[in-house]
Amino acid sequence: SFDLTQPRSVSVALGQTAVIPCGGKNIGNKNVYWYLQRPGQAPVLVMYRDTIRPSGIPERFSGSNSENTATLTISRAQVEDEADYYCQVWDTTTVFGGGTHLTVL
Amino acid sequence: QLQMQESGPGLIKPSETLSLTCTVSGGSISNSIYHWGWVRQAPGRGLEWIGSIDHSGKTNYNPSLKSRISISADAPTSHFYLTLTSVTAADTAIYYCARDLGGLGYYYLDVWGNGTRVTVAS
Repeated sequence: SFDLTQPRSVSVALGQTAVIPCGGKNIGNKNVYWYLQRPGQAPVLVMYRDTIRPSGIPERFSGSNSENTATLTISRAQVEDEADYYCQVWDTTTVFGGGTHLTVL
Repeated sequence: QLQMQESGPGLIKPSETLSLTCTVSGGSISNSIYHWGWVRQAPGRGLEWIGSIDHSGKTNYNPSLKSRISISADAPTSHFYLTLTSVTAADTAIYYCARDLGGLGYYYLDVWGNGTRVTVAS
């Protein structure tokens, strides 16, 4: 199955920009989706088809995807952005990355 | 607004069969745009896709679980189901049901239930 690689954790200072990578072979040829999950809650879709924000997701969230890395970028990081973030692709089945815990300092 | 709610036994013994139900309200599971899926999360671990079913009853399963799982649906009642046989402690997890946009060719999960916790223990 398709392998997605995410760092276990990323830290960002309050108000600064967080970058969460998701690596995969030629992932740039696939649609990438991102979810955030706060403790004790269900995942929430925050980005679809690489760069599209669902309704209700702040403009601070943006996405990109090229070659072997997709990226979720969170500008002006807020305390409420602290969560686990998962990337996902479809490769005959749905595949999730291992998840990245974002800490806002 | 579409809502989804999982229900299940909470506690199940090793080697038994787990049966979970997802109740969909505010929409029809017969809509060809959507697939209906299951995802689980073991304690302290990441998300694991289990499988999905489309409006025609066609299923797609995680290869690592395929021999033990079955997903079915009952459109008139807006329920779909997960059956997992021969459970072990490794199947202890929160199980989520979710709506998948697979009918459009974009396979992602835009609406999720709150999850139901399943513990496998004797």
